Parts: sequence; C-alpha cells; structure tokens
Amino acid sequence: NSKVIQTPRYLVKGQGQKAKMRCIPEKGHPVVFWYQQNKNNEFKFLINFQNQEVLQQIDMTEKRFSAECPSNSPCSLEIQSSEAGDSALYLCASSLSPRANSDYTFGSGTRLLVI
Amino acid sequence: GDQVEQSPSALSLHEGTGSALRCNFTTTMRAVQWFQQNSRGSLINLFYLASGTKENGRLKSTFNSKESYSTLHIRDAQLEDSGTYFCAAGTGNTGKLIFGLGTTLQVQP
Repeated sequence: NSKVIQTPRYLVKGQGQKAKMRCIPEKGHPVVFWYQQNKNNEFKFLINFQNQEVLQQIDMTEKRFSAECPSNSPCSLEIQSSEAGDSALYLCASSLSPRANSDYTFGSGTRLLVI
Repeated sequence: GDQVEQSPSALSLHEGTGSALRCNFTTTMRAVQWFQQNSRGSLINLFYLASGTKENGRLKSTFNSKESYSTLHIRDAQLEDSGTYFCAAGTGNTGKLIFGLGTTLQVQP
C-alpha cells in the first residue's frame, strides 16, 4: 500500500465542470508533485510545492488549475473547467527534497474521465 | 528538450527467463528511478540510483551518468512481474522527473 494517499480513485465529470482531487503526502515529506499521465504513457509535470509554497508550475496549471497544499490538510488539485483532453491519470508524489536527487513516492492516482 | 528514450516498448517473457530494459538520456541526469505500474495505475518504486548498481531480489539496476544510460535487469521472471515499467530521471535543478514512455512486460506461463 502506498504511503501517499490519493482520493478519489475515479472521477467522472462533464465538460465545463470542476474536478477536484486530493493527496496526502508521505509523513515527513515536505515536497509534493503532481503529474498527469495520458493514455499514451506520457507524463506531464503540473506543479510542485514545498510545504505550502508553489515551487514551479507549467502554464496550463497556472491558467486552468487551482492547486494548494495547506498546512495540516490534504493537498488538492482542481481543474476549474474540465475539458475532454483532461481525461488522464493524475499522480501525486512526495519527497524529502525538491531536487531530483531525492527519490519520490507516488500515490495510486486519480483517474479522471471527462465526458 | 531533455528526453528519456526507453526500450523496448514491449516485451514478452516466459516464466523463469530474463531480460533487460534500457533508458538512454539526452542530457546529464543526476539520478534515475525505476517504477513498475500495475493494472490499477499504482506506480511502485523499484530503485532509486544516483550512481552504480543496486540489486533487489530478481531485479538489478545500473545507472551510468557519464554514458547517460540506465538499465533494469529482470531474471527468473514471474507472472506477477507483468506490468509497465518506467524509468524517470532528473537533472537535479528543478526536482521534475522526466519519464520514459515505458516498457510493457507480459510474462507468460
């Protein structure tokens, strides 16, 4: 069982609806990452946090997503207005360090289907 | 941009046999991770390497940062090894991992 907990496991939304998913990082890990995996196995980095602060995010995330990692609450990633192309597996990972020389632990993902 | 080229894209093994998966990197990477993704989508950590070789049971992985590649060797394959294997590496500057496109392994009786 993963030490990173993601909910819900599955999410079905209509186009234009909000889609929100949550992640509880591994205990003691201050850094959280979100990735999108599409049906072609392409992973896209979305955003990362250190504690409550955003470290880096891509344009798409900044424009269309709302993400936060509040203190003492799960991290969340919310698509403000879902599009068909957002259908994918959303994976949350945590690590001890924001640098890539620290190994990640991934959650089981939230599979989003936008119809 | 930085790329990770993973091969083969698909692999079929009979139980008890073995093979190697490989990732080539187009830029210098600080570390590499290997994951197995099961049918439910969970990414299971197999190895994290900053250099050298690690072994765990029937799996062994090597990372050569100078020559920009990493390998994952599977020996004595079992049915439960079936799944998609990904390598992912980072340059160390941003924390982002760059993933390969995966190797789908099917182990047959």
